[in-house]
Amino acid sequence: DVKVTQSSRYLVKRTGEKVFLECVQDMDHENMFWYRQDPGLGLRLIYFSYDVKMKEKGDIPEGYSVSREKKERFSLILESASTNQTSMYLCASSPFADNEQFFGPGTRLTVL
Amino acid sequence: SQKIEQNSEALNIQEGKTATLTCNYTNYSPAYLQWYRQDPGRGPVFLLLIRENEKEKRKERLKVTFDTTLKQSLFHITASQPADSATYLCALAYSSASKIIFGSGTRLSIRP
Repeated sequence: DVKVTQSSRYLVKRTGEKVFLECVQDMDHENMFWYRQDPGLGLRLIYFSYDVKMKEKGDIPEGYSVSREKKERFSLILESASTNQTSMYLCASSPFADNEQFFGPGTRLTVL
Repeated sequence: SQKIEQNSEALNIQEGKTATLTCNYTNYSPAYLQWYRQDPGRGPVFLLLIRENEKEKRKERLKVTFDTTLKQSLFHITASQPADSATYLCALAYSSASKIIFGSGTRLSIRP
């Protein structure tokens, strides 16, 4: 079974802190994604990557950056956390562009 | 920009009945459409994918239809069970892009 793991289930940070969210997949997938999920807004794509060291902006990249140094790992970085970044963050991977996505369990981030 | 609309209200269904969830999209038709299930506090899980040249897809008690004229997909769960209670997400994508656009989901409750 494909497994996508995220570094934390719950995280509490203060405004202005630098936050790292880590995602690891074990199935050698090319594509990896970061979403945030908010009530009534659904899943919104922040960034995605289709190869090592490659990244593409999604719909809401402002305030975020990403890093993909190894194929299995995709990191989301909040350079200076703000309260409006309080959300559920979901990582996903897929083998091909038009294929199902496998999601991690999510990280619920609270910024105080 | 492309928009997806799912049943805005929660759906409550008697056990044993067929649940039907709606996904409408605007603008041009996607290359394919996916349905996911999401339980509280967890990441979405892929259920079915249907391509634009397919009218219908089935998997056990699940059935998905895709009507490019109506710009709509319907998701059916026959012989519904309380264990089917969850939020169901519709997602669409285009063959030239890697990213998928998600709807905000429909919460389904099956009462015994």
